[in-house]
Amino acid sequence: AQKITQTQPGMFVQEKEAVTLDCTYDTSDPSYGLFWYKQPSSGEMIFLIYQGSYDQQNATEGRYSLNFQKARKSANLVISASQLGDSAMYFCAMREAPAGGGSNYKLTFGKGTLLTVNP
Amino acid sequence: EAGVTQFPSHSVIEKGQTVTLRCDPISGHDNLYWYRRVMGKEIKFLLHFVKESKQDESGMPNNRFLAERTGGTYSTLKVQPAELEDSGVYFCASSQEDRVIHNEQFFGPGTRLTVL
Repeated sequence: AQKITQTQPGMFVQEKEAVTLDCTYDTSDPSYGLFWYKQPSSGEMIFLIYQGSYDQQNATEGRYSLNFQKARKSANLVISASQLGDSAMYFCAMREAPAGGGSNYKLTFGKGTLLTVNP
Repeated sequence: EAGVTQFPSHSVIEKGQTVTLRCDPISGHDNLYWYRRVMGKEIKFLLHFVKESKQDESGMPNNRFLAERTGGTYSTLKVQPAELEDSGVYFCASSQEDRVIHNEQFFGPGTRLTVL
């Protein structure tokens, strides 16, 4: 079963408008973390925002906010006031507690959403 | 502070050849991860090092892939012999061992491997 589902292969938004990128996850682990990464056409992976499963408040980082709905297992990324430079691939990822108490905090990724910001 | 670097940025080889990818993590980061993204699919975990020790290589596709991290600094990922299905982007990421913060992984720019 998919652990991270991003149902939107592509999204379009007008410059200066807000956009929501969807992410749902599946885990039975009570302790987990959710990440969003941005991958522009240049290829590097840029960390945007993090939400811990025990965090009481939704994470925010500048124009990025994470709409965390734990009961629904969703962690949608909201980008406010879109800019042309926001055009990129966006990946949602989850980190679960390492098996056997080790230190492998490997990430499980979704397939990504390609966001295009139109002028 | 320098970020994670990877070399080469692109590699085009023929089926059956050998390729070695290199990753230099952020200085002081004990954890090093390799991931791979095959065209149109998710980014998938390959393996994890803590210093020079392999902790988890459950994501390695088969025994044509060999990763090393001698001395606990840079890491290499060798594919020998390469097959067509090995084409993709190989990412390296590093993180500090810190259970308080969220173990953010810093990614390198990736190596795009094309096997013809």
